[in-house]
Amino acid sequence: SQQGEEDPQALSIQEGENATMNCSYKTSINNLQWYRQNSGRGLVHLILIRSNEREKHSGRLRVTLDTSKKSSSLLITASRAADTASYFCATDGGSTLGRLYFGRGTQLTVWP
Amino acid sequence: DTEVTQTPKHLVMGMTNKKSLKCEQHMGHRAMYWYKQKAKKPPELMFVYSYEKLSINESVPSRFSPECPNSSLLNLHLHALQPEDSALYLCASSHLGVNSPLHFGNGTRLTVT
Repeated sequence: SQQGEEDPQALSIQEGENATMNCSYKTSINNLQWYRQNSGRGLVHLILIRSNEREKHSGRLRVTLDTSKKSSSLLITASRAADTASYFCATDGGSTLGRLYFGRGTQLTVWP
Repeated sequence: DTEVTQTPKHLVMGMTNKKSLKCEQHMGHRAMYWYKQKAKKPPELMFVYSYEKLSINESVPSRFSPECPNSSLLNLHLHALQPEDSALYLCASSHLGVNSPLHFGNGTRLTVT
């Protein structure tokens, strides 16, 4: 499978704490993307990091990419109850055809 | 709210019914996608349209028939479905190009009885 694999599968923290999720993948990539999904809703794109980038920031989000280890991490700082959701990493398998493969996801619960 | 609109939000259909899911976007995106998501699982790609032409079919059974009437609309026609086809069906769109993120609708929750 070309899908990414997130770790941990579930994460439970208190408001104000940082949350770190990891993603590993198997193939070459053009980019790696992170999405968030609230229960029963569609996915929302959070951040895209290109294969030649090592770190990217967006607000309280920090993403790192290590192509030599085929892994990425998503850090959410100062988490809020509203951050409770499932987080998925997605890779394109190096394809230019439009395929995007999603990992199993991490269920994040932030307690007030 | 999302910029990709899917209708209906919920659909219950029998195994002999014919129904259609609809998706609409007005962001000028020329790539559109159908994904299927079972509970507590990641989305799985079904179809990709580029410039209104089917470019990827991920070996989806023929009881699912996609259609892209124009650059803003994407349909998924359903016929003779099985109970195991019950899932959340997500539509997405994007600009063409490898570094274009997907914009998802909120999905249609389909139940096949």
